[in-house]
Amino acid sequence: TQLLEQSPQFLSIQEGENLTVYCNSSSVFSSLQWYRQEPGEGPVLLVTVVTGGEVKKLKRLTFQFGDARKDSSLHITAAQPGDTGLYLCAGYNAGKSTFGDGTTLTVKP
Amino acid sequence: NAGVTQTPKFQVLKTGQSMTLQCAQDMNHEYMSWYRQDPGMGLRLIHYSVGAGITDQGEVPNGYNVSRSTTEDFPLRLLSAAPSQTSVYFCASRSSGTEQFFGPGTRLTVL
Repeated sequence: TQLLEQSPQFLSIQEGENLTVYCNSSSVFSSLQWYRQEPGEGPVLLVTVVTGGEVKKLKRLTFQFGDARKDSSLHITAAQPGDTGLYLCAGYNAGKSTFGDGTTLTVKP
Repeated sequence: NAGVTQTPKFQVLKTGQSMTLQCAQDMNHEYMSWYRQDPGMGLRLIHYSVGAGITDQGEVPNGYNVSRSTTEDFPLRLLSAAPSQTSVYFCASRSSGTEQFFGPGTRLTVL
């Protein structure tokens, strides 16, 4: 069984602060995805990283895939209340995705 | 395109009852999956399908059945509901790539 551990589980910060969410595994993944989920809705894809060491930027969000393709991080710069939500990482192998338990982010105005 | 649709949105069952959660997609995606999401946990794969007529078990398949008679539809059947099956159920579909498109979920309570 491939496991993905996310940390922290909960994060509450003030608007304007920076934060980093981590996603770690002992397994190697062919790609890794980050999703964001709002209450009452299904997850929505933010980014897919494929190459070890890859860095992708999406406005104030920076995603990095570890060199060994076992871990990833999501960094948010100058967080805003609209960033509030559940962030999920998912490792992909052999046609199936394994999800982490998620990080619940609350950004207070 | 409606994307991925799920019905019902909410459901309450008594222990032992059976029901079918419906999922449909209009994107002509080959791959479809069912997940359950419990508080404090991510999504766990129940069953998945790589095309019409082909299904396979995921991480937590016990107590659930699926079938895939058409590309569009992928219903999930609870044979005899148990309180442990209280959860939020998500259906997802994807093409040959890795991006999954999720439905809005079905919130199921088993008393």
